[in-house]
Amino acid sequence: GQQVMQIPQYQHVQEGEDFTTYCNSSTTLSNIQWYKQRPGGHPVFLIQLVKSGEVKKQKRLTFQFGEAKKNSSLHITATQTTDVGTYFCAGPRGGGATNKLIFGTGTLLAVQP
Amino acid sequence: GAVVSQHPSRVICKSGTSVKIECRSLDFQATTMFWYRQFPKQSLMLMATSNEGSKATYEQGVEKDKFLINHASLTLSTLTVTSAHPEDSSFYICSAEAFFGVNIQYFGAGTRLSVL
Repeated sequence: GQQVMQIPQYQHVQEGEDFTTYCNSSTTLSNIQWYKQRPGGHPVFLIQLVKSGEVKKQKRLTFQFGEAKKNSSLHITATQTTDVGTYFCAGPRGGGATNKLIFGTGTLLAVQP
Repeated sequence: GAVVSQHPSRVICKSGTSVKIECRSLDFQATTMFWYRQFPKQSLMLMATSNEGSKATYEQGVEKDKFLINHASLTLSTLTVTSAHPEDSSFYICSAEAFFGVNIQYFGAGTRLSVL
């Protein structure tokens, strides 16, 4: 069945270091969304990417959608302790036009001050 | 931003009892709400899609008689875990779909269910 994998599962960085999580789908996706879940919290929508090769920035966060629309990445520049949490990518189930999401396996980011 | 309230945040119950979880969109109307289950340190697994005014659609492997969903209004969906057993212990999270240029899911704070 459809799978959305993320690597790494866990990353521990020193504050100020950069961080990247990679998201790989077994199927082509019409769009990809990113969510952040703080420890003990709930997922919060960050962004949606739709176009092949699209790159979007939100302050220190850079999101990229692969040319083949099967992978994506989230890069955080100069991490801060407020960046701690699990980052999930999510895509439409079946890859196409549906509002049902399949979430990636997630990457837990720990930031040491 | 859009706010989704989920209640209760935590419930402990005895095996065999039923538990109802409420999910409310506070400042927007949601035709569609979703129910997820999340195990510790794992991802979110979609259980079912709740549609206002119609029957919920369940994902493969999710027992509809076990997890009853009612979406009675555009701001409220409920999930009832019937005859709960210890294996039903988990973190249940709802989301409500809103359109702000793109379709976004706004999540409730989740309900941690512990069945003794």
